[in-house]
Amino acid sequence: DARVTQTPRDKVTEMGQEVTMRCQPILGHNTVFWYRQTMMQGLELLAYFRNRAPLDDSGMPKDRFSAEMPDATLATLKIQPSEPRDSAVYFCASGLATGGLGTDTQYFGPGTRLTVL
Amino acid sequence: GQSLEQPSEVTAVEGAIVQINCTYQTSGFYGLSWYQQHDGGAPTFLSYNALDGLEETGRFSSFLSRSDSYGYLLLQELQMKDSASYFCAVPPRAAGNKLTFGGGTRVLVKP
Repeated sequence: DARVTQTPRDKVTEMGQEVTMRCQPILGHNTVFWYRQTMMQGLELLAYFRNRAPLDDSGMPKDRFSAEMPDATLATLKIQPSEPRDSAVYFCASGLATGGLGTDTQYFGPGTRLTVL
Repeated sequence: GQSLEQPSEVTAVEGAIVQINCTYQTSGFYGLSWYQQHDGGAPTFLSYNALDGLEETGRFSSFLSRSDSYGYLLLQELQMKDSASYFCAVPPRAAGNKLTFGGGTRVLVKP
């Protein structure tokens, strides 16, 4: 049963510290997405990759957030320095895009619950 | 810009039928997706309508009318485990499926 995995599942840190979240997409999927979910803002798309290339990161605060895919089996989302307002659940999702039409189904990982004190 | 509107909350009893409506405004449109999310869990894919009409998957059905920019998710024979949030989402299919999610409808099933 193929699944998206994320680590860590929970992270508590202090303001100013660096946070790195990792995601392993489903083998064979070529698109990876990072979302942030809060009660106030709902599900927000932060960034997404296709074939490891970043396609859009307009939803991400550029000064402190960065997203990368060092290889096809690993995506990372980094926050440096972290702030209390970054507290949220961060989801990674993957999908299979064919041709130029994208993918209709995204498979979400379990999420990383981040608390910044 | 894009927007998806859905009710914030619906309450129903076990065995009942619930319809969650979603109206959307998009610059490009290729279909409507539905996701379910239990408290503390991750969104999971339920259905996708690319064409007008009704798609049935077990107790859940989804409908789309592109001319009305409207769709709905129908939950039949409600069970306690159906208590969750349900999101409609629009995937612009150009440039790799950048999903935009609605605010979610919280469904509470009572005994």
